[in-house]
Amino acid sequence: SAVISQKPSRDICQRGTSLTIQCQVDSQVTMMFWYRQQPGQSLTLIATANQGSEATYESGFVIDKFPISRPNLTFSTLTVSNMSPEDSSIYLCSVDPGVTDTQYFGPGTRLTVL
Amino acid sequence: GQQLNQSPQSMFIQEGEDVSMNCTSSSIFNTWLWYKQDPGEGPVLLIALYKAGELTSNGRLTAQFGITRKDSFLNISASIPSDVGIYFCAGHLGNTPLVFGKGTRLSVIA
Repeated sequence: SAVISQKPSRDICQRGTSLTIQCQVDSQVTMMFWYRQQPGQSLTLIATANQGSEATYESGFVIDKFPISRPNLTFSTLTVSNMSPEDSSIYLCSVDPGVTDTQYFGPGTRLTVL
Repeated sequence: GQQLNQSPQSMFIQEGEDVSMNCTSSSIFNTWLWYKQDPGEGPVLLIALYKAGELTSNGRLTAQFGITRKDSFLNISASIPSDVGIYFCAGHLGNTPLVFGKGTRLSVIA
């Protein structure tokens, strides 16, 4: 398994601002992912964070809105840019350690945009 | 894209009862995963299934990977109050992203 931490755990932000969420893993992993979970909903993949190259975004998500960094094999950031109330969600970091076909999730960042 | 149908959407049960929930897919998966999410937390992996027909237990939890590779179920025996939460199934095939079910919200009445 993997131990994943996220910062901040929650935040309340004003419309039009940006927030950067950090994800730290206790071991080197190839695959890191960012998900969004809107209130009462399931998980939606935003993008796969690739080390040393640009992130791969899913349909409906773009780099200008959700820029991602992956400077090394244990760390990634997701920025939610120019926020609106519709961005209020839980944002989750996930990793696949690669030994078995599984994914582990961080505790999430609960974002509220006013 | 692939769709996962997870049922039931919600359950209200008495403490001590057994629980069963399942997921079905329109296409096959190589891996089925079951997660539990408590309020304000990230999903926690409960059971991972890698072979068709595989039956795996984790304490009071038992899950099976369907023979057709298009379905999986999760059973919880003798439920307790801390079983409350949302249970998600997820399927994986090759290098494609995980596909999640919509979740089963479990409430346990003491």
